[in-house]
Amino acid sequence: DTEVTQTPKHLVMGMTNKKSLKCEQHMGHRAMYWYKQKAKKPPELMFVYSYEKLSINESVPSRFSPECPNSSLLNLHLHALQPEDSALYLCASSAGTEAFFGQGTRLTVV
Amino acid sequence: GENVEQHPSTLSVQEGDSAVIKCTYSDSASNYFPWYKQELGKRPQLIIDIRSNVGEKKDQRIAVTLNKTAKHFSLHITETQPEDSAVYFCAASRRALTFGSGTRLQVQP
Repeated sequence: DTEVTQTPKHLVMGMTNKKSLKCEQHMGHRAMYWYKQKAKKPPELMFVYSYEKLSINESVPSRFSPECPNSSLLNLHLHALQPEDSALYLCASSAGTEAFFGQGTRLTVV
Repeated sequence: GENVEQHPSTLSVQEGDSAVIKCTYSDSASNYFPWYKQELGKRPQLIIDIRSNVGEKKDQRIAVTLNKTAKHFSLHITETQPEDSAVYFCAASRRALTFGSGTRLQVQP
């Protein structure tokens, strides 16, 4: 299995909602990442987990809360988001260098 | 942190021509330089990568060159085809990928 699977594919949420994005990989990769990609922009790094520990937080607002319950799963908990947080959220995993991306969750905040 | 600059932002070529995209990076500790192709609404797809101990790598119509001294690397696509039309991102990595701003490549049939 060489796939990174993200759910849901699409999500529409209100500014007072709480939702979670899920990412799963079974390649034994010990590094997992969250990226945010706005339209016509490059992916921007949000968080890095290494061996299930948060190793990089790119000064992301606290309304985004990552969680790595085990070596195969990565969650991104969302609370009190703003319309400007609407974007494609990409998860990736890596065994060292090459990063494998999931298909992303397209998030719309209304 | 790392900063990656990418040029040009748009590139239009005729089918069969070559296309060249250039990137520079700032962090001399970066040691991995991938190139991604992203079609509209899809995930970035790795097309070729190069590590800092290699100067050039080729895979069929695609090649990448790296100049560590100058801190720049380039993507070369030969014999372009309409299906090469997409947005291309370079990236540099030490612990995580930092992407360039992207190049929209259009191959005219």
